[in-house]
Order: sequence, then C-alpha cells, then structure tokens
Amino acid sequence: GQQVMQIPQYQHVQEGEDFTTYCNSSTTLSNIQWYKQRPGGHPVFLIQLVKSGEVKKQKRLTFQFGEAKKNSSLHITATQTTDVGTYFCAAPFSGTYKYIFGTGTRLKVLA
Amino acid sequence: DARVTQTPRHKVTEMGQEVTMRCQPILGHNTVFWYRQTMMQGLELLAYFRNRAPLDDSGMPKDRFSAEMPDATLATLKIQPSEPRDSAVYFCASGLIRQGEYEQYFGPGTRLTVT
Repeated sequence: GQQVMQIPQYQHVQEGEDFTTYCNSSTTLSNIQWYKQRPGGHPVFLIQLVKSGEVKKQKRLTFQFGEAKKNSSLHITATQTTDVGTYFCAAPFSGTYKYIFGTGTRLKVLA
Repeated sequence: DARVTQTPRHKVTEMGQEVTMRCQPILGHNTVFWYRQTMMQGLELLAYFRNRAPLDDSGMPKDRFSAEMPDATLATLKIQPSEPRDSAVYFCASGLIRQGEYEQYFGPGTRLTVT
C-alpha cells in the first residue's frame, strides 16, 4: 500500500545551524502537506505543495516538492529554540482527502 | 479565532469501560478526521467524514470503535469496551476543501489512559 517515509527520525542541532527533513513516497502524489507539532501540542498545518518542483518559503523555512512529485523536503535556516518540535509530512491517499502522515522528524535545538 | 475543540482533554478509565470522545469542528468545515497518536505507531487515521457522511473508517478496529457525526457541530469517537492498548492521544481535525486546496486544523487532543 501507499507509504510515506520520513528521515531522519531525530535531529539535534546547535542553535543557528540549519536543519532539513526529507519525505519520500512510494507513489506519485497530487500534493503534500507539512505540519509542526510542538512537544505536548497538536499538529499545526504549515503549508501545502501542489506543483512539480514547487518551492515555497515561510521566513526561515523552505519547502520543496520534487520534480517527480514523489518526495519533498523542509529546510530550516539558522534554527532557533522556537523551532523545537516534530515535523510531519502528510500525503493524500490516492485521489482522496484521506492523508497519510509520515513518521515525523523530531528536532531538538541546543542553545 | 476559530478552533477545533475536543472533550475531555484527559481521560483515565479501567479496562472494559466505555469511552466517548467528542469533537466540535470549525463551523463551515466540511471534513472531519479522527487520528490516534502513539509513540510506537505515530499518527494513524481512524475515520474520515465528509459533509457528515462517513467515507472511510478502515483504520478503526471495527469490533470496539465507532465514529459518528450526529450533526455538523459534533463528531464522536466511542470505544467499547476499552483496552490498555487503546491508550493514546486521540486528535480530531476538521478542514475545508476549496478549489483543490485543503488544510486540516487539529484539536488539542484527548489523552486516554486505559488501566
């Protein structure tokens, strides 16, 4: 069945360092979404990517959708302690609005 | 600032008891989802409603779980009888499909502990 793999599982960085998480799908996707979940909190929608090769930026966050629409990445430039949390990608299950979430990447930022 | 609300926020119950979790989606949203989150399994989709109609509940253990939307302002997830392995955080999310664009808004979750 459809799977969404996310790497790495954990990442510890020094404050000010960059961070990237990658999401890979076994099938071509119509779109992909990214969420952030703070410790003890709930997932919060960050962005949706739809077009092949699309790149979107939100301040220090850069989101990219692969040309083949099978992978995506989230890059954070110059991490801050407020970036701590788990970042999830989510992909719709073939032609529906049922989203499969990746395993998440837990980011720790050391001050 | 519209939000998804969930009650209760925390629930501790004994094995075999019935548990009912409630969710009030954001007014005007036409989809509602129930998710379960555990350390081992991550975020799993349990059930999915669109315009109050159940579209998919393949992620739910059918013998003990049931999900309903009695009206547009209330979604419920029921577990009967509950088991220790049901201990998890249960999230409700609602969203709006608009011209192919879609985003989900999650509620704060219900943390369920079954002893």
